[in-house]
Amino acid sequence: DQQVKQNSPSLSVQEGRISILNCDYTNSMFDYFLWYKKYPAEGPTFLISISSIKDKNEDGRFTVFLNKSAKHLSLHIVPSQPGDSAVYFCAASEQGGQNFVFGPGTRLSVLP
Amino acid sequence: KAGVTQTPRYLIKTRGQQVTLSCSPISGHRSVSWYQQTPGQGLQFLFEYFSETQRNKGNFPGRFSGRQFSNSRSEMNVSTLELGDSALYLCASSLSTGGSSGNTIYFGEGSWLTVV
Repeated sequence: DQQVKQNSPSLSVQEGRISILNCDYTNSMFDYFLWYKKYPAEGPTFLISISSIKDKNEDGRFTVFLNKSAKHLSLHIVPSQPGDSAVYFCAASEQGGQNFVFGPGTRLSVLP
Repeated sequence: KAGVTQTPRYLIKTRGQQVTLSCSPISGHRSVSWYQQTPGQGLQFLFEYFSETQRNKGNFPGRFSGRQFSNSRSEMNVSTLELGDSALYLCASSLSTGGSSGNTIYFGEGSWLTVV
């Protein structure tokens, strides 16, 4: 029973275009969401977070959107760069807990 | 500021042995959590420590244990190793835990454990 889902295992995007990575969750108690990027043989790198009191958070090329009613969040990367090629994970927690539930990840390939 | 440091990075153990992994959190961070990553199960929460107390525990058998020291450093131990314990073990730290707002966790590079 996956509480956090990333239904696209992979995504290919042309350099300079927008990458949109999606994440859905089932637990309505989740109130804090994180996105990570992971290269092989490295630990996940934190990208951006969003609290359930917001519907958008922006940091440079990264923007996260949260739709609480749909239990859906998305990560937009604009413009996409070849160095963005990695596996992206979304994660969710409730009430400030550290026991984050992670999605299975989406492999992004940015083509030059 | 130094990131989360995990040792050892790579290790090979035999079935039935036990292993201890170490984690030093980011300076000033008091909460440490551990995750296991495997190809089949993805990233799964093991446990979390704050102020030397275990705050949360994931759905793992009792062979998996951990502790936190007064300087916030943490260790996790796996006893009676099984082949299925082969995984990347990730430590993450954050400033605090609980409260009404979320706490971002920052990961180390991980410890690759192979059980043969």
